[in-house]
Amino acid sequence: KAGVTQTPRYLIKTRGQQVTLSCSPISGHRSVSWYQQTPGQGLQFLFEYFSETQRNKGNFPGRFSGRQFSNSRSEMNVSTLELGDSALYLCASSLAGGRAPNEQFFGPGTRLTVL
Amino acid sequence: GENVEQHPSTLSVQEGDSAVIKCTYSDSASNYFPWYKQELGKGPQLIIDIRSNVGEKKDQRIAVTLNKTAKHFSLHITETQPEDSAVYFCAAFDRDDMRFGAGTRLTVKP
Repeated sequence: KAGVTQTPRYLIKTRGQQVTLSCSPISGHRSVSWYQQTPGQGLQFLFEYFSETQRNKGNFPGRFSGRQFSNSRSEMNVSTLELGDSALYLCASSLAGGRAPNEQFFGPGTRLTVL
Repeated sequence: GENVEQHPSTLSVQEGDSAVIKCTYSDSASNYFPWYKQELGKGPQLIIDIRSNVGEKKDQRIAVTLNKTAKHFSLHITETQPEDSAVYFCAAFDRDDMRFGAGTRLTVKP
């Protein structure tokens, strides 16, 4: 089985721009979670999507949004980029997710640099 | 919400020695505790997990123990090898989302 794939792997943007990141989960997995990883804050949960619906949301501003398509692929969007948004963005897929925790499998991440 | 603390932040051991990483959590409702290994330039890789109805789980050289009363869980790696060098994260799942520890950078010296 192919693992979790994320595109693009690297991205450079300037302040004020917006960015869209993509994640394709493992075949058969219906839950996709997004995380932000920075040296200072570590791994922080952004949101989780299951069956095209956002089920859980972390403590991030509304500039961070996402969606999930019928094939379980997910996109994450960040609008009005700030320097502090520079991070590794990771997505993780699992069979069910939510309140019935299953193993989460992470993708390689997208390294976003905001200049 | 859940708060996960992880210690130590760095750990250096000699090849063949054991390594132990400890985590504590705050929410007694947490019921799932995975451990991840992250190598440079890669995403975290699940290496072992334990659920709240189990006290210990072992997979070859890796074991995890859970003390629900004390709200702490530990990762044990025996017979360490240089390829075990990486950053290790613990996590706790509390009802809605996964909270991660800050990570432990493990270095295994040949």
